[in-house]
Amino acid sequence: ELKVEQNPLFLSMQEGKNYTIYCNYSTTSDRLYWYRQDPGKSLESLFVLLSNGAVKQEGRLMASLDTKARLSTLHITAAVHDLSATYFCAVVNTNAGKSTFGDGTTLTVKP
Amino acid sequence: NAGVMQNPRHLVRRRGQEARLRCSPMKGHSHVYWYRQLPEEGLKFMVYLQKENIIDESGMPKERFSAEFPKEGPSILRIQQVVRGDSAAYFCASSPLVSLEKLFFGSGTQLSVL
Repeated sequence: ELKVEQNPLFLSMQEGKNYTIYCNYSTTSDRLYWYRQDPGKSLESLFVLLSNGAVKQEGRLMASLDTKARLSTLHITAAVHDLSATYFCAVVNTNAGKSTFGDGTTLTVKP
Repeated sequence: NAGVMQNPRHLVRRRGQEARLRCSPMKGHSHVYWYRQLPEEGLKFMVYLQKENIIDESGMPKERFSAEFPKEGPSILRIQQVVRGDSAAYFCASSPLVSLEKLFFGSGTQLSVL
């Protein structure tokens, strides 16, 4: 059974600081997604990472994938309040076609 | 192109009643997934359907829960004889023909069981 672990689960940081969220998964997969969820809202796709070494960046967020280590990171640069949300990574079980989600990292950016 | 449409947005039921949650995928999407989210938890996979077929229901409780995606009309997640523990947000997601594409999520249905 595919397991996806995120850490930390809760992250409080000051504006302007940098931090990294980690996503580990248990079985081979070459497809990983990052989603954002605002409180009381649905999930919005941020990044799709399709191969080993893939790196995607948008604004202050950068995601990377290391399929050999079964690890993805979401790096936050110079955080701003608008980034406060819960971030989920999701790994696709290639054989089954379904996505397995981590428990999410709730990010709070304080002024 | 409308997104994934879920209704109702909020549903209140008393214990023992039935709950029906509807999901219309994005136009052109033939893969539908249902996920459940308990308060302050992640999303737990329930079921994956294509038109008229259940592909994977490994995350769905064996009793009281059922799902369908008919040839015409929305996908339905049905919960019979609801209990308080069924209270959660239920999200539907869809993807295009290739099921390994990213998921497009609906706004969810918040089920509250009194």
